[in-house]
Amino acid sequence: QVQLQESGPGLVKPSETLSLTCTVSDGSISIYYWSWIRQPPGKGLEWIGDIYYSGSTNYNPSLKSRVTISVDTSKKQFSLKLSSVTAADTAVYYCARGLTSRGRLVWFDPWGQGTLVTVSS
Amino acid sequence: DIVMTQSPDSLAVSLGERATINCKSSQSVLYSSNNKNYLAWYQQKPGQPPKLLIYWASTRESGVPDRFSGSGSGTDFTLSISSLQAEDVAVYYCQQYYTTPLTFGGGTKVEIK
Repeated sequence: QVQLQESGPGLVKPSETLSLTCTVSDGSISIYYWSWIRQPPGKGLEWIGDIYYSGSTNYNPSLKSRVTISVDTSKKQFSLKLSSVTAADTAVYYCARGLTSRGRLVWFDPWGQGTLVTVSS
Repeated sequence: DIVMTQSPDSLAVSLGERATINCKSSQSVLYSSNNKNYLAWYQQKPGQPPKLLIYWASTRESGVPDRFSGSGSGTDFTLSISSLQAEDVAVYYCQQYYTTPLTFGGGTKVEIK
């Protein structure tokens, strides 16, 4: 049963870059899409973007100018960088495996436990 | 972007009674080439990540109790819990995967009356 675990700083200063890593265990990183999704405190879910194991990426247009997602298949890890953060980027950040149908990203399963990142000076 | 609108925002249901959650998409998520609705449902319990319940609008994920069912097509969808149990207290989200950006509904909180 594949498991995902997010890691990274829980506090980031405004205007700096948020960096998180997701480690995949007990499963292959190949074939699937690997996604980042965030949830501001008390609010709903927002898809940030995804990366295919081959390295191709898709980003939410609302964040595209500030987001970079990368993958290291040898370490079974994928990473998120979000630049120029503000308080509005404070959220629980989840990594998740994206299932595919006809080569397209469909639903997410499983999800990591999530990590709270607070943007504050 | 496809906007997903859920209703109600919250509902309180007695144990053993039916809970019904609605999800409406701003455009159809029915893919004509395969006649499938590109919609999933998730359950999020307090302090936990979302858990996949249903995909293709009505297919239960393995291990999900059969009291959970999904229905609907096109732009209007429903998640039903036929006999609410205490462990079903959670926030439920719909998600469309018809097109990027993938988008979620705002969530519906289910509580015990």
